[in-house]
Amino acid sequence: NAGVMQNPRHLVRRRGQEARLRCSPMKGHSHVYWYRQLPEEGLKFMVYLQKENIIDESGMPKERFSAEFPKEGPSILRIQQVVRGDSAAYFCASSPPIQETQYFGPGTRLLVL
Amino acid sequence: LAKTTQPISMDSYEGQEVNITCSHNNIATNDYITWYQQFPSQGPRFIIQGYKTKVTNEVASLFIPADRKSSTLSLPRVSLSDTAVYYCLVGDMFSGGYNKLIFGAGTRLAVHP
Repeated sequence: NAGVMQNPRHLVRRRGQEARLRCSPMKGHSHVYWYRQLPEEGLKFMVYLQKENIIDESGMPKERFSAEFPKEGPSILRIQQVVRGDSAAYFCASSPPIQETQYFGPGTRLLVL
Repeated sequence: LAKTTQPISMDSYEGQEVNITCSHNNIATNDYITWYQQFPSQGPRFIIQGYKTKVTNEVASLFIPADRKSSTLSLPRVSLSDTAVYYCLVGDMFSGGYNKLIFGAGTRLAVHP
């Protein structure tokens, strides 16, 4: 029973480039959540998606950040024109439709040079 | 979502029992209490969840008093590998909606030989 998968595990980008982070939820899970974690801090909610729908993006920065969860394939968190402040660990979690416990992936560590 | 308060850090020794208490004075009737564990460079891992009284699984026990304004995570006979950050969260887990988890700073548990 594979867990939540995220790739890449580490991503290095220069300022101004785009970063694409992928998340494959656990089998049978149709809810995906993205969180960001800065060093020595707790995780901060960014966005909640179901297949082909963004349900809550209240934690997403207004500009440069977008997320999708297409009918087929992984969920994508996209950061355009990255800046050094975007350097963080980005975690994806998934949950089944009824029971809401979230299961987290290993994260993608983004470093912006 | 109810705010939680837990100690910033704790120290213990191998073989001891560790109890981490979390305060959630404003917990709502429908809220459940969930604990996650996070190792460095990994995503949070679900440990245990409960609503009232006592819950036990193969990893830990969760004690919740009648007023539910606090809860205690109990780790029996800790080992060095239990060194991690432990997060206490409360939220409505089974409403059929969703739950954007709000993480605090957590409790950093250091287990010493």
